[in-house]
Amino acid sequence: DTGVSQDPRHKITKRGQNVTFRCDPISEHNRLYWYRQTLGQGPEFLTYFQNEAQLEKSRLLSDRFSAERPKGSFSTLEIQRTEQGDSAMYLCASSSRAGTNTGELFFGEGSRLTVL
Amino acid sequence: AQSVAQPEDQVNVAEGNPLTVKCTYSVSGNPYLFWYVQYPNRGLQFLLKYITGDNLVKGSYGFEAEFNKSQTSFHLKKPSALVSDSALYFCAVRDRDSGGGADGLTFGKGTHLIIQP
Repeated sequence: DTGVSQDPRHKITKRGQNVTFRCDPISEHNRLYWYRQTLGQGPEFLTYFQNEAQLEKSRLLSDRFSAERPKGSFSTLEIQRTEQGDSAMYLCASSSRAGTNTGELFFGEGSRLTVL
Repeated sequence: AQSVAQPEDQVNVAEGNPLTVKCTYSVSGNPYLFWYVQYPNRGLQFLLKYITGDNLVKGSYGFEAEFNKSQTSFHLKKPSALVSDSALYFCAVRDRDSGGGADGLTFGKGTHLIIQP
């Protein structure tokens, strides 16, 4: 499968614990995005990378959240000291440079986080 | 700021009938507009987009959408619905004139489309 892959698909954790999600984009895509989706809502933009550079961060991305893309390939999203309000589906998407300008993003199946 | 409204949480259509899923948008500049579909336990899949040119855009699986600038709408349509079209549909917008801002799309809340056999 050459699509966007995310791991883990599901994560249940206790409040206060740290969690990390990984995203492997489509190999030739240089842009990578993280979105958050809560029940009954559309995806909300969190951050995006062009190659290894993090170019934009949403105000939704509090200081407990950090994202990296160290070699311009896979990316990780870490949430420290999780809170119940962090429970959501975390979606990763990628696009090529051409696709980015017209918005055709390719999404992974998401990582669902449940904070108890 | 840009925003998208999908006024219907759910749309029910009988198989074989035409369907419409509504979307209105707000951007300060000119819009790029998109429709994505999400099946249960799956990621979002791109359906179609409006960038410029012809206001009627055709996409995957027989879907089409019409851009109406005066009404700031981008409704999704299909002439004859299939049961397999049942899914969650998201409209999204990006301000093409935002320049330097996030490339991220702004999504609506989604509309559940239910096609009844």
